[in-house]
Amino acid sequence: GAGVSQSPRYKVAKRGQDVALRCDPISGHVSLFWYQQALGQGPEFLTYFQNEAQLDKSGLPSDRFFAERPEGSVSTLKIQRTQQEDSAVYLCASSLALYIRAGQPQHFGDGTRLSIL
Amino acid sequence: EDKVVQSPLSLVVHEGDTVTLNCSYEVTNFRSLLWYKQEKKAPTFLFMLTSSGIEKKSGRLSSILDKKELFSILNITATQTGDSAVYLCAVEAQETSGSRLTFGEGTQLTVNP
Repeated sequence: GAGVSQSPRYKVAKRGQDVALRCDPISGHVSLFWYQQALGQGPEFLTYFQNEAQLDKSGLPSDRFFAERPEGSVSTLKIQRTQQEDSAVYLCASSLALYIRAGQPQHFGDGTRLSIL
Repeated sequence: EDKVVQSPLSLVVHEGDTVTLNCSYEVTNFRSLLWYKQEKKAPTFLFMLTSSGIEKKSGRLSSILDKKELFSILNITATQTGDSAVYLCAVEAQETSGSRLTFGEGTQLTVNP
């Protein structure tokens, strides 16, 4: 497709369950980012990949959060032993280059809305 | 710690009004400032600003950056109901390991007919 694709669009899980969220970036985009957006807030950075290398994971809130991009394309964000505070929209973004350049900003997917009961 | 503050947080206007949204920032190694529009789904890109004093314009929307005073404004003229959305401001900092965006809370704009 032409844009960043995320699945599922909605996920409901019971507290303590593991979840996996998928991101399919725009074809050819080198950089991939994950953000967490709580209700009424701006997105907050979680982690960043350049191709298959995870260069920055400083935003991951705990060791229950794990992200991978094994072949430098599709990425998966996994949350283990989910807690209620994990409820949020998880946004994925991709960009063509390592650094944002004119006309090459981060393009976002529609997000996965995660609700933990 | 990088910080982005947007104001107002919420704004209600009538169709045809002109609005100005504000974004101030504190960031180490500033590289660029971006504006996004979010309508319940993906944030969609509006503008990227890197240089002071150069206005970017797209239709009824325009934006400018002041790197000395560390702020940006987004103007929307002749507002329409379709402009109703959350407008997000984000800054990119240049880091050795790549780049990341720090977002503000957003301004919720409601345009009534």
